[in-house]
Amino acid sequence: EIVLTQSPATLSLSPGERATLSCRASQSVSSYLAWYQQKPGQAPRLLIYDASNRATGIPARFSGSGSGTDFTLTISSLEPEDFAVYYCQQRSNWPRTWTFGQGTKVEIK
Amino acid sequence: EVQLVESGGGLVKPGGSLRLSCAASGFTFSSYSMNWVRQAPGKGLEWVSSISSSSSYIYYADSVKGRFTISRDNAKNSLYLQMNSLRAEDTAVYYCARGGLPTVVTPYYFDYWGQGTLVTVSS
Repeated sequence: EIVLTQSPATLSLSPGERATLSCRASQSVSSYLAWYQQKPGQAPRLLIYDASNRATGIPARFSGSGSGTDFTLTISSLEPEDFAVYYCQQRSNWPRTWTFGQGTKVEIK
Repeated sequence: EVQLVESGGGLVKPGGSLRLSCAASGFTFSSYSMNWVRQAPGKGLEWVSSISSSSSYIYYADSVKGRFTISRDNAKNSLYLQMNSLRAEDTAVYYCARGGLPTVVTPYYFDYWGQGTLVTVSS
C-alpha cells in the first residue's frame, strides 16, 4: 500500500506570501495525485488532479507540479481565504485503496 | 449544480448499526462511481469505501471490511452505507463523494463532496 507523507505539518505565513506544500509517495504514482483544501467545518474541495490540472473554478494562484514520488502544491500569493488544511491523495491499484496524506495546515503568521 | 446530501448519522452504542444515505442531484448519478470518506474529530481524511457506477466493483478499507456495506440505487439517485458492529473508533463525520470521471470504473480522485453526517459511537 502506498503511503503519502506531507510536509511541513504546519506552515505559518502572511497574506501575500508564497506557500509551498510537499507530498511524497512511498512508491511511484505516476501523475495520479490530487490535492484538496479543507476549511474548518466544511467538506474538502478538489483543487488539483493529475498532479497539475486545476479543478473547475479553482483560481490560477493554485498550481501543482511533480510526478513519480514527489509533488508540490504552490499558492503563489496567499489570500485570506486560503488559510486552511491541504491534503494530497492517490489510489493504489492492488489492493485497490485510496490514501490521503496527513495534511498540511496553512495558518496565518 | 451538483449536490450531495448525507443523512442518517447520529449517536449509537458500540456494537450497534446505522445506515447512512447520500442523495445526489444535478448530474447523471448512474454514470459515476461514488465513495464514502470519513474524518474523525480533529483528524485527517480516511477513505472508507467505493462503488462503481453499476455496482460491479466495490472496495473497502481494511478498517471497515466485513462490518460496512456500500450500495447504491441508481433509480433513486442514492448512495448508502450500512454500518454494523460499530466501534468507538468509527466515530467520525462521514462524507459521500463523487468519483472524478464519468464511466471510469473507480477514478482515483473525488470531485464533489457532500457536507457530511456525524456518526458518534458511544455508550
